[in-house]
Amino acid sequence: RKEVEQDPGPFNVPEGATVAFNCTYSNSASQSFFWYRQDCRKEPKLLMSVYSSGNEDGRFTAQLNRASQYISLLIRDSKLSDSATYLCVVNQRAGSYQLTFGKGTKLSVIP
Amino acid sequence: GAVVSQHPSRVICKSGTSVKIECRSLDFQATTMFWYRQFPKQSLMLMATSNEGSKATYEQGVEKDKFLINHASLTLSTLTVTSAHPEDSSFYICSTTLSSYNEQFFGPGTRLTVL
Repeated sequence: RKEVEQDPGPFNVPEGATVAFNCTYSNSASQSFFWYRQDCRKEPKLLMSVYSSGNEDGRFTAQLNRASQYISLLIRDSKLSDSATYLCVVNQRAGSYQLTFGKGTKLSVIP
Repeated sequence: GAVVSQHPSRVICKSGTSVKIECRSLDFQATTMFWYRQFPKQSLMLMATSNEGSKATYEQGVEKDKFLINHASLTLSTLTVTSAHPEDSSFYICSTTLSSYNEQFFGPGTRLTVL
């Protein structure tokens, strides 16, 4: 089983649509969780951290289910500028800096 | 957030040559930097953890004699790909962080093409 697994997509959605991405991780001892965004041929940039209670940042909502080892990202009212690859990222060990990246889910928002 | 620069942004070289990539932390002192590699349509894979003043820690399967890492100061880490081959062609990205619970700040990456 891959350490961090994501549906690669692509997800092609119209502007204004709501889209959800899912991610599962294999290490139950994982400590920190993040969603990063990566534009084509660019470096990843943090979109948001994911907290146990779930958290929202504008149109973006992240949820964590530790029992199921499952993370989700919901994007409401999609914009053209949301087109990118979304990376699910996990820190698997407490006190460690090392991050494990999923392959990413590609999103294309269509006019 | 921290600002990380990388140089060069793109390099094309002949097989057998060595290529040095620099990673700089511009606005804070980074005792630890990370080097990743990303092949097309693949995830970022950690290659090594660079520690200022000590030897780098390499991930399993990464040859330390081929990918030389030097972290001589708190603001600069270098990765040298020695005797590069076409299979080393990839996107190399460095990062640093303020703590194990905070985000990592990535450099803009270096796209290496070995002919």
